[in-house]
Amino acid sequence: DVKVTQSSRYLVKRTGEKVFLECVQDMDHENMFWYRQDPGLGLRLIYFSYDVKMKEKGDIPEGYSVSREKKERFSLILESASTNQTSMYLCASSPDRPRGTDTQYFGPGTRLTVL
Amino acid sequence: GDSVTQMEGPVTLSEEAFLTINCTYTATGYPSLFWYVQYPGEGLQLLLKATKADDKGSNKGFEATYRKETTSFHLEKGSVQVSDSAVYFCASFEAAGNKLTFGGGTRVLVKP
Repeated sequence: DVKVTQSSRYLVKRTGEKVFLECVQDMDHENMFWYRQDPGLGLRLIYFSYDVKMKEKGDIPEGYSVSREKKERFSLILESASTNQTSMYLCASSPDRPRGTDTQYFGPGTRLTVL
Repeated sequence: GDSVTQMEGPVTLSEEAFLTINCTYTATGYPSLFWYVQYPGEGLQLLLKATKADDKGSNKGFEATYRKETTSFHLEKGSVQVSDSAVYFCASFEAAGNKLTFGGGTRVLVKP
């Protein structure tokens, strides 16, 4: 079974702090994604990566950056957390068939609260 | 750009009732369509998918048919169980856009 793990289930940070959210997948998938989930808005793509050291902006990249130094790990970074970044963050991965058309496998999510 | 619209919840049903969740999409081409489910406290899991017009996806008693003429992919289940209580997301993928687009999610609560 594909497993996608996220470093924390719950996280509480203060405004202005630098926040790292880590995601690891164990199926050698090329593609990895970061989404945020907010009530009524569904999932919105923040950043994605199709290869090591490669990243592309999604729909809402402002205030975020990412790092992919190893194939299995994709980190989301909030350089200076703000209260409007309080949300559920979901990581996903997928194999490299025609990009993105195959199933995406999701982690359990990290619920981040910024005070 | 692409968009996915699904009915707002919550949808509250009794056990063994019939469930329908409507989903429509807009796209310039012919996207692949998905239903994902999120059980309480968990991440999303793929429930079913369809990759071309008139395809029917099915899994765990759920079904959805890709209707190009109405740009819809409605989810149905004939007899729901309490364990079907979850949030359901419709999503589309179009190669030109190269990403999944999700609807807002529909919370379903099944009461015994």
